[in-house]
Amino acid sequence: KAGVTQTPRYLIKTRGQQVTLSCSPISGHRSVSWYQQTPGQGLQFLFEYFSETQRNKGNFPGRFSGRQFSNSRSEMNVSTLELGDSALYLCASSLFEQGADTQYFGPGTRLTVL
Amino acid sequence: AQSVAQPEDQVNVAEGNPLTVKCTYSVSGNPYLFWYVQYPNRGLQFLLKYITGDNLVKGSYGFEAEFNKSQTSFHLKKPSALVSDSALYFCAVRDNDSNYQLIWGAGTKLIIKP
Repeated sequence: KAGVTQTPRYLIKTRGQQVTLSCSPISGHRSVSWYQQTPGQGLQFLFEYFSETQRNKGNFPGRFSGRQFSNSRSEMNVSTLELGDSALYLCASSLFEQGADTQYFGPGTRLTVL
Repeated sequence: AQSVAQPEDQVNVAEGNPLTVKCTYSVSGNPYLFWYVQYPNRGLQFLLKYITGDNLVKGSYGFEAEFNKSQTSFHLKKPSALVSDSALYFCAVRDNDSNYQLIWGAGTKLIIKP
């Protein structure tokens, strides 16, 4: 089976712009979770989607949003980018809900905000 | 409050020696515990998990973890370290009070010296 894929792998944006990141889960997986990873803050949970519904949400401002499509592919959007949004954004998929099953991670999208 | 702690930011071990990466947790109800590893410039990879049953869990790459209910710990171990084990290790626990969302430790950098 193909693993979790994330596009693009690298992205450079300027402050105030918006960005959309994409994640394709492993075939058959219904849960997609998004994380932000920075050297200072570690791994921070953004949100989880399961069967197109947001199931859990972390403590991030409303500028961070996401959605999941009927084929389980997911996108996350960050509007009005700030310098502090520079991070590695990781997507993970699992067959069942987060916490009940093993998560499989993609390679991440490295976002740099200038 | 539900939490997970990895008390060591970094662990240094000589190649061939046994290694331990510590993790303690605080959750209500039965704990679901996970270990993941992250190699440089990669996403996280699943190592092992404890849900129920035998307290000693065996995982990938020769790693194992011991679930200790009385000490609320789930330490990761390996009998003989390899240089290639050098990576960032994350412990996670399922939050039984918050829709089974995963709570992540801050990560422990493991350095194996030849």
